[in-house]
Amino acid sequence: NAGVTQTPKFRVLKTGQSMTLLCAQDMNHEYMYWYRQDPGMGLRLIHYSVGEGTTAKGEVPDGYNVSRLKKQNFLLGLESAAPSQTSVYFCASSPALPITDTQYFGPGTRLTVL
Amino acid sequence: ELKVEQNPLFLSMQEGKNYTIYCNYSTTSDRLYWYRQDPGKSLESLFVLLSNGAVKQEGRLMASLDTKARLSTLHITAAVHDLSATYFCAVDPFMNYGGATNKLIFGTGTLLAVQP
Repeated sequence: NAGVTQTPKFRVLKTGQSMTLLCAQDMNHEYMYWYRQDPGMGLRLIHYSVGEGTTAKGEVPDGYNVSRLKKQNFLLGLESAAPSQTSVYFCASSPALPITDTQYFGPGTRLTVL
Repeated sequence: ELKVEQNPLFLSMQEGKNYTIYCNYSTTSDRLYWYRQDPGKSLESLFVLLSNGAVKQEGRLMASLDTKARLSTLHITAAVHDLSATYFCAVDPFMNYGGATNKLIFGTGTLLAVQP
């Protein structure tokens, strides 16, 4: 049982390049999330999904797109990377409401945009 | 604007001492979560508090929730070096028509350093 996995672990991009971060979970969770973590700011929700084929915006969605074509996968895309998107990205998953369980986090992806 | 504030932001403790981390939030909620993060690592769930007056304990850590005061505390008893980490609280705010949203709002974290 791998839990939540993320690919890649590290990535360096040049401004304007695009990339996709992959999140996979094997816990059959309905909900999945993408967060970014910046120094001194805690985690902020980018986008989330409450089920296969659904996505919604979080606190800081600008510059990102997501897709959830399969229940176990949640993709985060950067179409034209900017230095302000340098951050550590965490994916998480959780069971559906009502919430009696926590969110389970992946190991993170460290992204640097030059 | 929804806010979750932790204090202190940095805490240097001596081994064997007790201390408390505070988490204040500005919205209606009775769902609060505590996580631990080691440097360069992911977040590990510590406690899930789901009602007013909830208290949970695990080893040297005890968390409580007062929804009327919109306050949660994480109490550390007889700190040891292994507890050194960053601790986050996160709140699940109610939507206007009631019910949890599952869209967590995180505090900025408390960096705990336990000195020998």
